[in-house]
Amino acid sequence: DIVMTQSPESLAVSQGERATFNCKSSQTVLNSSNNKNYLAWYQQKPGQPPKLLIYWASTRESGVPDRFSGSGSGTDFTLTISSLQAEDVAVYYCQQYYNTPHTFGQGTKLEIK
Amino acid sequence: EVQLLESGGGLVQPGGSLRLSCAASGFTFSRYAMFWVRQAPEKGLEWVSTIDNGSGAKTFYADSVKGRFTISRDNSKNTLYLQMSSLRAEDTAIYYCAKSIGGTSSYYDYWGQGTLVPVSS
Repeated sequence: DIVMTQSPESLAVSQGERATFNCKSSQTVLNSSNNKNYLAWYQQKPGQPPKLLIYWASTRESGVPDRFSGSGSGTDFTLTISSLQAEDVAVYYCQQYYNTPHTFGQGTKLEIK
Repeated sequence: EVQLLESGGGLVQPGGSLRLSCAASGFTFSRYAMFWVRQAPEKGLEWVSTIDNGSGAKTFYADSVKGRFTISRDNSKNTLYLQMSSLRAEDTAIYYCAKSIGGTSSYYDYWGQGTLVPVSS
């Protein structure tokens, strides 16, 4: 199984500042045949289901604000919120869908400082 | 508008059985692989099972549920199912159904609101 490791476990950032989340996979999730990284990011607010933010490591889902961006390739990935808003308080999960089982990271909890 | 609505959750005793349903609307259900994901109280997300599109001939399970859970689909009813048996306390979780973008090697673009399954005596 591919193990997904997220860091940090929690993050406190001031409103308007940048928030950076890291995700590392135990093996590559880059498919060399199509040059796509099978990596997604989800946001989960309290009492709500997860919401897709980013797929193919860097493609923003329709309707997601452009302050959210994803980067990385192979085994190391980053989700960045360029200017934190109060409504961004949530837990953020990365997930690989390259192999079954589709494994999630343990999540990073984002709070406002 | 895509909608996924889970039902069937509720308190069940250890060793018991339960069938979850996920009613889908707003898309051509048969064309998409579907997933079940669970979340234990105050814990992270855990993939549970996948069923491929079309007839659903291909199914996949987490080791933690293999042999106890069965995923299935009824395309005529636009409904996904998860039959759970030999339930354990550690199966206590919110169970979400989620939609693929096509095949099984896919991210999850829509999620239901979830249904809670507490396993306790």
